[in-house]
Amino acid sequence: DGGITQSPKYLFRKEGQNVTLSCEQNLNHDAMYWYRQDPGQGLRLIYYSQIVNDFQKGDIAEGYSVSREKKESFPLTVTSAQKNPTAFYLCASSIRDRPYEQYFGPGTRLTVT
Amino acid sequence: RKEVEQDPGPFNVPEGATVAFNCTYSNSASQSFFWYRQDCRKEPKLLMSVYSSGNEDGRFTAQLNRASQYISLLIRDSKLSDSATYLCVVNMAGGGNKLTFGTGTQLKVEL
Repeated sequence: DGGITQSPKYLFRKEGQNVTLSCEQNLNHDAMYWYRQDPGQGLRLIYYSQIVNDFQKGDIAEGYSVSREKKESFPLTVTSAQKNPTAFYLCASSIRDRPYEQYFGPGTRLTVT
Repeated sequence: RKEVEQDPGPFNVPEGATVAFNCTYSNSASQSFFWYRQDCRKEPKLLMSVYSSGNEDGRFTAQLNRASQYISLLIRDSKLSDSATYLCVVNMAGGGNKLTFGTGTQLKVEL
């Protein structure tokens, strides 16, 4: 079955630690995206990548970093510089010709204490 | 003013009812519009696109009113399984391939 996987589902970290969230897709999609969702707010775009070895900042990139070394993988690192890292993180992908039809992974709930 | 605004609800309706949600957007040059569905603590999934001519898919009808800058979603004969949060999503003018998500409207269908 094709799809997007994110791991882990729940993640707990101490403040001051960097943490990397995994996102893998086998849909052969060119574009991949990272969002965060907070209660009472819409999804906000952190980073996106339209092709391997290239990525762009979204609306709230500060405190985050990404890499796109393989088409299938788009890991997100939440650094200690991110002031409010506790959130629900969603990864998505799309084909190049239909960028608005995004397929989401199941998400990772990150809690930083 | 938020770029995409939705009434958060919840809308509590009996099974079989017809329910409608509206969503307003601020940028009059916005190009593309969508409704996504998100179940509790799950990922969003594309429900339907919204075209200028309207779009119907079974019990679901989506419409766009460019003059008043809103889109709507109508659900007829609602089912218990329709209970979810419905996200209004807009591709803002000048936003490239980026999507702007509303905060969602929560629907609860009850027996």
